[in-house]
Amino acid sequence: EVQLLESGGGLVRPGGSLRLSCTASGFTFSSYAMNWVRQAPGKGLEWVSAISYSGNNAYHADSVKGRFTISRDNSKNTLFLQMNSLRVDDTAVYYCAKFGSPYGWGQGTLVTVSS
Amino acid sequence: DIQMTQSPSAMSASVGDRVTITCRASQGINNYLAWFQQKPGKVPKRLIYAASSLQSGVPSRFSGSGSGTEFTLTISSLQPEDFATYYCLQDNSYPYTFGQGTKLEIK
Repeated sequence: EVQLLESGGGLVRPGGSLRLSCTASGFTFSSYAMNWVRQAPGKGLEWVSAISYSGNNAYHADSVKGRFTISRDNSKNTLFLQMNSLRVDDTAVYYCAKFGSPYGWGQGTLVTVSS
Repeated sequence: DIQMTQSPSAMSASVGDRVTITCRASQGINNYLAWFQQKPGKVPKRLIYAASSLQSGVPSRFSGSGSGTEFTLTISSLQPEDFATYYCLQDNSYPYTFGQGTKLEIK
């Protein structure tokens, strides 16, 4: 069974930085692309970033391009999201997700950007 | 970028009703279309992937169909636990995009 556990969320001031982590288990992490998805309070789902199985290719939504960086450490079965220049509208629950099969979705970590 | 237009944005229905939700893609997505259900305060749950494949453990009253740019999620006979918000997702090409969501409420 795919298990994904996010951590690293919290309260940060506008302009600040935060690094999210997602620890994976239950599947061969190094064989699959991974994603970050977020959901602002009371809003819909927004795909944020994805990274190829090897880490050689990364993709970001226009809303975070140039500010967020996705990466992974396959030796530690861990996915990361480095978030810089945070804005109030980045406030959301951030989920780690694996689409395709096997499928998995984490429980999420809350990021609050507020002064 | 591919835009996903989901309709309706909200609807009300009764237990036992047949319900259909539609997602239209701005260009062809090779059937890389998934449907998710989300209940308040809960993590999204995948119902359908590859446009019509039922996720393991999901009741058979849920079905997906479509191809090219138009896709539908059908619930054949609504149950009380089905009242939730539904989202489509295209995972054909980056950036992936979700539909705006359909909130399904009890009539």
